[in-house]
Amino acid sequence: GQQVMQIPQYQHVQEGEDFTTYCNSSTTLSNIQWYKQRPGGHPVFLIQLVKSGEVKKQKRLTFQFGEAKKNSSLHITATQTTDVGTYFCAGNAGNMLTFGGGTRLMVKP
Amino acid sequence: KAGVTQTPRYLIKTRGQQVTLSCSPISGHRSVSWYQQTPGQGLQFLFEYFSETQRNKGNFPGRFSGRQFSNSRSEMNVSTLELGDSALYLCASSLLGMSTDTQYFGPGTRLTVL
Repeated sequence: GQQVMQIPQYQHVQEGEDFTTYCNSSTTLSNIQWYKQRPGGHPVFLIQLVKSGEVKKQKRLTFQFGEAKKNSSLHITATQTTDVGTYFCAGNAGNMLTFGGGTRLMVKP
Repeated sequence: KAGVTQTPRYLIKTRGQQVTLSCSPISGHRSVSWYQQTPGQGLQFLFEYFSETQRNKGNFPGRFSGRQFSNSRSEMNVSTLELGDSALYLCASSLLGMSTDTQYFGPGTRLTVL
């Protein structure tokens, strides 16, 4: 079945440093979604990417979808303590949405 | 609009018992998906219901079942509980379905099996 791998599993950064999480799918995706889950909370939708090579920005967050539509990344510039949480990618293929294992981001003030 | 609601929020059961969890989607949303979240396994997809029909199913044993009512509310049932079923159970609703649409998650039901 479809597998979505996400790395790294954990990331500690100093406030102000950049952060990137990577998502790789075993199959070509029709779209990919990104979610953020704060500690003790539930996943909240961030963005959906559909087109090959697509790049979208939300303030300090930059999302990319690979040319082959099998990988994606989320980059945060100059992290803040409010960025703490687990970031999940979720890849859609064949009408199934499969979540990656998530990257837990911890930010030291 | 009110968000996705799940009841109960916390539940403690013993092995062998069964449990029913409830999810009320955002008004107008016809798709409800269920997920199991554990520290070791991340977010695992259980099933998706759309207009009262199961549209997708994850790789879980038959002890896990669900249904959706005409008002789009959904219930999930786990029979013969095992210790490994302890997890946060999340439901998510969307307008058109999990594969094309933003999913809005509820706060989850924390199930502890003793």
